[in-house]
Amino acid sequence: KAGVTQTPRYLIKTRGQQVTLSCSPISGHRSVSWYQQTPGQGLQFLFEYFSETQRNKGNFPGRFSGRQFSNSRSEMNVSTLELGDSALYLCASSPYPNTGELFFGEGSRLTVL
Amino acid sequence: DQQVKQNSPSLSVQEGRISILNCDYTNSMFDYFLWYKKYPAEGPTFLISISSIKDKNEDGRFTVFLNKSAKHLSLHIVPSQPGDSAVYFCAASGGTSYGKLTFGQGTILTVHP
Repeated sequence: KAGVTQTPRYLIKTRGQQVTLSCSPISGHRSVSWYQQTPGQGLQFLFEYFSETQRNKGNFPGRFSGRQFSNSRSEMNVSTLELGDSALYLCASSPYPNTGELFFGEGSRLTVL
Repeated sequence: DQQVKQNSPSLSVQEGRISILNCDYTNSMFDYFLWYKKYPAEGPTFLISISSIKDKNEDGRFTVFLNKSAKHLSLHIVPSQPGDSAVYFCAASGGTSYGKLTFGQGTILTVHP
């Protein structure tokens, strides 16, 4: 069974630009979550989606948004990038919502210059 | 406000001995706790979990202990192996947000042959 796939793996953007990250969950998994990992803040929850609906949202500004499609694939978007948005963005999937036993992808490493 | 804390940034252990990783939490609403392991350039991998109705859960070499009154949990690895060398994250969820995990900062475990 293929794991969680995130694209792109690495990307470099400049301040003020926007970025879209993509996540394909494990086949059959309908819940997708996103986390941001930085050296200073550790792993922080961004959002959780199930059946195309956002179920939970973390404490991030409105520049961070996401969505889930009918095939469970998910995207997250960050607009008006800031230097502090440089991080590893991790997507995780699970068969059901409200479970902490998540299967993580390898992440998308974003560098903002 | 760090609701989940791993106060030891690193731990070094000899192969074959016990590794004990600790985690403290402050939010009384948390009632489900998990440990994740992360190798460099990979996403976190789920290890073991425990519900607040239990005080111990065991899976092979890994045992998690929960002390609710002290708001403390620990992960015991016996015997430790060099392949266990990784970053270990403690995570918690509960209340109305089971899909949202709150992670600790992580502990780097090094097991020496």
